[in-house]
Amino acid sequence: TQLLEQSPQFLSIQEGENLTVYCNSSSVFSSLQWYRQEPGEGPVLLVTVVTGGEVKKLKRLTFQFGDARKDSSLHITAAQPGDTGLYLCAGEDTGNQFYFGTGTSLTVIP
Amino acid sequence: GAVVSQHPSRVICKSGTSVKIECRSLDFQATTMFWYRQFPKKSLMLMATSNEGSKATYEQGVEKDKFLINHASLTLSTLTVTSAHPEDSSFYICSARDGSTNYNEQFFGPGTRLTVL
Repeated sequence: TQLLEQSPQFLSIQEGENLTVYCNSSSVFSSLQWYRQEPGEGPVLLVTVVTGGEVKKLKRLTFQFGDARKDSSLHITAAQPGDTGLYLCAGEDTGNQFYFGTGTSLTVIP
Repeated sequence: GAVVSQHPSRVICKSGTSVKIECRSLDFQATTMFWYRQFPKKSLMLMATSNEGSKATYEQGVEKDKFLINHASLTLSTLTVTSAHPEDSSFYICSARDGSTNYNEQFFGPGTRLTVL
């Protein structure tokens, strides 16, 4: 059972464009993390959100946790080639079980 | 902080041999470590959860006799792929949970690319 569905699965955009990646679930999570993974490397933690409605910004990346703590979004402004990678959301439920999203592969074309 | 290392980064072996992969938390103690398998451009598939000093908990469909996990200390977990076959070729990633943080985040190793000939 895949608890966290990400959309889109693949995204290819031009440098300078904006994009949003969604992470949706019918389950409630006590916290949610976003990771970026480059080919041949392990995922790197970008952010953790824990409060419903919370918004966190990391330079050109904006993360939002849904009010009901069931979904999250990642918005990238003015994408750059260095943003290319696999973006993964991951949620921890109230039983400390950790679930990864299906992943979004982003390619930013120079 | 929160650095996790994996060794080796790449390994090529013959079918039928066993391969050991080490996962270390370098600057924190990890009571729980996780082992994942990943296919190209796909998300991580949890194989097992490893708690220090106790037997690992395997996910459904993962053969515990084939993928031996040992978590002998708070900073080291090992995954041994026994009698490897070409279908075991994959990218294996470990992570460690830093229980000292508020949110129990997982920090990942750089991964091990296993190729079985």
